[in-house]
Amino acid sequence: ETGVTQTPRHLVMGMTNKKSLKCEQHLGHNAMYWYKQSAKKPLELMFVYSLEERVENNSVPSRFSPECPNSSHLFLHLHTLQPEDSALYLCASSQADREGTEAFFGQGTRLTVV
Amino acid sequence: AQSVTQPDIHITVSEGASLELRCNYSYGATPYLFWYVQSPGQGLQLLLKYFSGDTLVQGIKGFEAEFKRSQSSFNLRKPSVHWSDAAEYFCAVRRAAGNKLTFGGGTRVLVKP
Repeated sequence: ETGVTQTPRHLVMGMTNKKSLKCEQHLGHNAMYWYKQSAKKPLELMFVYSLEERVENNSVPSRFSPECPNSSHLFLHLHTLQPEDSALYLCASSQADREGTEAFFGQGTRLTVV
Repeated sequence: AQSVTQPDIHITVSEGASLELRCNYSYGATPYLFWYVQSPGQGLQLLLKYFSGDTLVQGIKGFEAEFKRSQSSFNLRKPSVHWSDAAEYFCAVRRAAGNKLTFGGGTRVLVKP
């Protein structure tokens, strides 16, 4: 398997549930990202992990909790979400600080909070 | 802080006609520049990128983009649009050093038969 794989592709959860989004990259990259894509809003960078350390957290509410156990895996743990958190969550990876590198994206998880 | 502006939210073009999507960026030095395409319900696919050298870059699916430093622009073009080009297109910039990729708001392209 190649590229960036996200699971599940679709998720419906209640506001009191706890769920996790998973991302796996098979590209040998050392940086991974979570983006949120809401309707009518630009792509929002949520978290950046480089060499398994979180290097950026863009004022994301604590109900979103990322985890990067190794350079190939990235999780987004969700708890007590709000309906406005419904969105497409995109994972990406890249080779950190290498000139000429771009980010590769997964197909996303479509999250609906009810 | 770097920023990216895509002035056109929607563009409708007839199949076979040419297409140009605008992108302007704000950054102190020349950043790395990218165009991505997103089909409905899918992730983002890289069309092309610019780092240095020739300011006209060729990408996949017949797309090209031109970097104009004087205008801080990186516009995307395609000479003849196909129905399968209907999608949303995102321009993005990244600092020469660092990992942060900043996206524009996107342009949704509709293709008329």
